[in-house]
Amino acid sequence: NAGVTQTPKFQVLKTGQSMTLQCAQDMNHEYMSWYRQDPGMGLRLIHYSVGAGITDQGEVPNGYNVSRSTTEDFPLRLLSAAPSQTSVYFCASSPLGHHGYTFGSGTRLTVV
Amino acid sequence: AQKITQTQPGMFVQEKEAVTLDCTYDTSDPSYGLFWYKQPSSGEMIFLIYQGSYDQQNATEGRYSLNFQKARKSANLVISASQLGDSAMYFCAMREAVRFRSNQFYFGTGTSLTVIP
Repeated sequence: NAGVTQTPKFQVLKTGQSMTLQCAQDMNHEYMSWYRQDPGMGLRLIHYSVGAGITDQGEVPNGYNVSRSTTEDFPLRLLSAAPSQTSVYFCASSPLGHHGYTFGSGTRLTVV
Repeated sequence: AQKITQTQPGMFVQEKEAVTLDCTYDTSDPSYGLFWYKQPSSGEMIFLIYQGSYDQQNATEGRYSLNFQKARKSANLVISASQLGDSAMYFCAMREAVRFRSNQFYFGTGTSLTVIP
């Protein structure tokens, strides 16, 4: 089915470990973004990309890296996990200028 | 200052009744878009409805309508004829034209809606 695919769905990390959250979309969307969702805070933008080879920081980029080597993929890297990065992470995509995102199903990350 | 404010952490509605979820926003950008998303217990985010700041009429999508009051900076979601499947978290969001390139949305903290049989 067409859409945004995120893996893994659940992950537990130890403080200081690194990992990559995967995001892929098959809708040829230009925009891709990573948000984190924390209780009582809504969703906040981490990083975004407006096309292959172009990335930029969002509202809460510290501790995360991204790259966009293809239109389809937009991985999010945690460099050295911290308990403050415990959250639910959503990848989202949209066509240029479109009115709404298509979201992935989310990754629930716990850092202990 | 909060860009999006949702003051109702939780709401209850009887099945088949209508319910209004409140949302106020703060922006100085004359061009912006307002959105509502639904998040069921399964966790995915589902786009419901969009209202542009220059749209003259309130947006409607099936049982969903957006009560847009520009002077009050409010964008309330109205769900008519509530169904059990409407039980979910509902998020109001805004995108400003100045943020068009980033497509950055500002989200509220959400309202949990429970539909009672």
